[in-house]
Amino acid sequence: EPEVTQTPSHQVTQMGQEVILRCVPISNHLYFYWYRQILGQKVEFLVSFYNNEISEKSEIFDDQFSVERPDGSNFTLKIRSTKLEDSAMYFCASTQVLDTQYFGPGTRLTVL
Amino acid sequence: AQSVTQLDSQVPVFEEAPVELRCNYSSSVSVYLFWYVQYPNQGLQLLLKYLSGSTLVESINGFEAEFNKSQTSFHLRKPSVHISDTAEYFCAVVWNNNNDMRFGAGTRLTVKP
Repeated sequence: EPEVTQTPSHQVTQMGQEVILRCVPISNHLYFYWYRQILGQKVEFLVSFYNNEISEKSEIFDDQFSVERPDGSNFTLKIRSTKLEDSAMYFCASTQVLDTQYFGPGTRLTVL
Repeated sequence: AQSVTQLDSQVPVFEEAPVELRCNYSSSVSVYLFWYVQYPNQGLQLLLKYLSGSTLVESINGFEAEFNKSQTSFHLRKPSVHISDTAEYFCAVVWNNNNDMRFGAGTRLTVKP
């Protein structure tokens, strides 16, 4: 069964550094998403992406964040200058159209 | 504003007892409804979903949820829980005027022997 994959599983970085989190969505899916989950808290929507552009973003997704689909398979989330409060689990998800979102296993980002 | 409310942050129960995890959502348009489960140190797994048709949906491991349009609810139930059901359960909603999913705050189900 196809699945969403994410790399790395754990990323440790220094405050102020740039990080890129990578996701490979399911191949025939058209909509892509990033969510984050701060330890012990709810899953929060960050951004949705369709047809090579952002379709919606939350207030969390400020200018420090960007997303890209650089080729036909990868979907990346970049944080330009990480802050301590960016430490969280980041989940990628994809869906074909208006249906179930399939989640990757997540990347745990730790900002020191 | 579109919102998802899970009324119970923690639900402790004994093994083989029944359980209900509550979920309510705001609605001015039609919705798709989901329950996801997150086991410790793992990602989100789809438990069950309602898109259309029968308002009662079931999962393969004995959970069920009923879509109640008048009460804007999608409560999750299981008649007899197991230790292995211990996890965090998230209700999620997609409102049909967009394609974005919003999650409730989660309910931590702890099944005790």
